[in-house]
Amino acid sequence: KNEVEQSPQNLTAQEGEFITINCSYSVGISALHWLQQHPGGGIVSLFMLSSGKKKHGRLIATINIQEKHSSLHITASHPRDSAVYICAVSYRDDKIIFGKGTRLHILP
Amino acid sequence: NAGVTQTPKFRVLKTGQSMTLLCAQDMNHEYMYWYRQDPGMGLRLIHYSVGEGTTAKGEVPDGYNVSRLKKQNFLLGLESAAPSQTSVYFCASRRQGGNTGELFFGEGSRLTVL
Repeated sequence: KNEVEQSPQNLTAQEGEFITINCSYSVGISALHWLQQHPGGGIVSLFMLSSGKKKHGRLIATINIQEKHSSLHITASHPRDSAVYICAVSYRDDKIIFGKGTRLHILP
Repeated sequence: NAGVTQTPKFRVLKTGQSMTLLCAQDMNHEYMYWYRQDPGMGLRLIHYSVGEGTTAKGEVPDGYNVSRLKKQNFLLGLESAAPSQTSVYFCASRRQGGNTGELFFGEGSRLTVL
């Protein structure tokens, strides 16, 4: 049983569209991470958050602790944003468990 | 500015052989993790360590052993490799636990067991 659920699994959009990727988890956490993985490439951390909202360039991450839900938004999407976006949660026993990822494809 | 380094990057083994993957970080991080990534499964936690001399089991620990004798190194061992252990292995580290530590990843190690 995967304790971190992401949706959608796959997403194709046109360049310029506003993108939302969702993540939900089942029990209390100490932090939530959003990461990016390009095809055949390594994994890069985008955000770590435990409350509220964070913004970096065209990326915005929000978390609602009460609803156990987080969203990653991409504004003015670009083909170079095409990648797998992964949500991961840090539990209080120090484990970090990952969702299965959302494969994003932005068409020019 | 090496960050997290994994060696080797690629390895082919025969069933029953043993090998060790090395993860080295130069950021003085306390926490280190080993994951495997398989198609459709996402990253699954094998073992992790919250400091030198400590290790703990993750989601899929069977068939693997780990050691953290030095703070900067986290070793993942396969005593008797099986085809089911064919995967891409990622090491990650962070400064501390809770909400204080951003994750840093190695580039991955692709292991094939024939």
